[in-house]
Amino acid sequence: GNSVTQMEGPVTLSEEAFLTINCTYTATGYPSLFWYVQYPGEGLQLLLKATKADDKGSNKGFEATYRKETTSFHLEKGSVQVSDSAVYFCALRGLGGSNYKLTFGKGTLLTVNP
Amino acid sequence: NAGVTQTPKFRILKIGQSMTLQCAQDMNHNYMYWYRQDPGMGLKLIYYSVGAGITDKGEVPNGYNVSRSTTEDFPLRLELAAPSQTSVYFCASSFDAISNQPQHFGDGTRLSIL
Repeated sequence: GNSVTQMEGPVTLSEEAFLTINCTYTATGYPSLFWYVQYPGEGLQLLLKATKADDKGSNKGFEATYRKETTSFHLEKGSVQVSDSAVYFCALRGLGGSNYKLTFGKGTLLTVNP
Repeated sequence: NAGVTQTPKFRILKIGQSMTLQCAQDMNHNYMYWYRQDPGMGLKLIYYSVGAGITDKGEVPNGYNVSRSTTEDFPLRLELAAPSQTSVYFCASSFDAISNQPQHFGDGTRLSIL
């Protein structure tokens, strides 16, 4: 079945530091890949997505590239802010019979200090 | 611009009590989902629905029931609350099951069973 593995946290950075959160996946075919963000006390919000190999999703300074050869979708940001502190989830949505379902990684807690 | 609305936001139950978690969406989405989020475990799908009158089990359905009498509403019922059901519950919706369509999440219901 489908699975998502993302780097374990927590990750603590200083403001303006570079961020990478690793995400790799196992799935058949070409799933769509997503990053969701969860701010304290809130639900999940879609941050960015990519639907085919070599696509780059981007939003709010965050980027992730769909790498089919390495089955990866790492999240990056060049300069983090305190307001980026949140839990980040990598997820995939498969094809065919399982395409109703999002498969999530366990989440990575990011704390950015001023 | 309500999106997905969940009530209540917090609830404490005694073992053996029952309750219904409410979920409503105003986006005319066909697909609705219930997830539970346990610390460090990501999100697990409990039940989902592809339209009014149609529901199906997800990964962890035991101890829960759902109904979908209208497109807008998708309540989740706990009949005999158990400590293992202490969790944060998220409702989500999407227009369809095409793999590149994201799911939209509510803010969650934090449930404690004592």
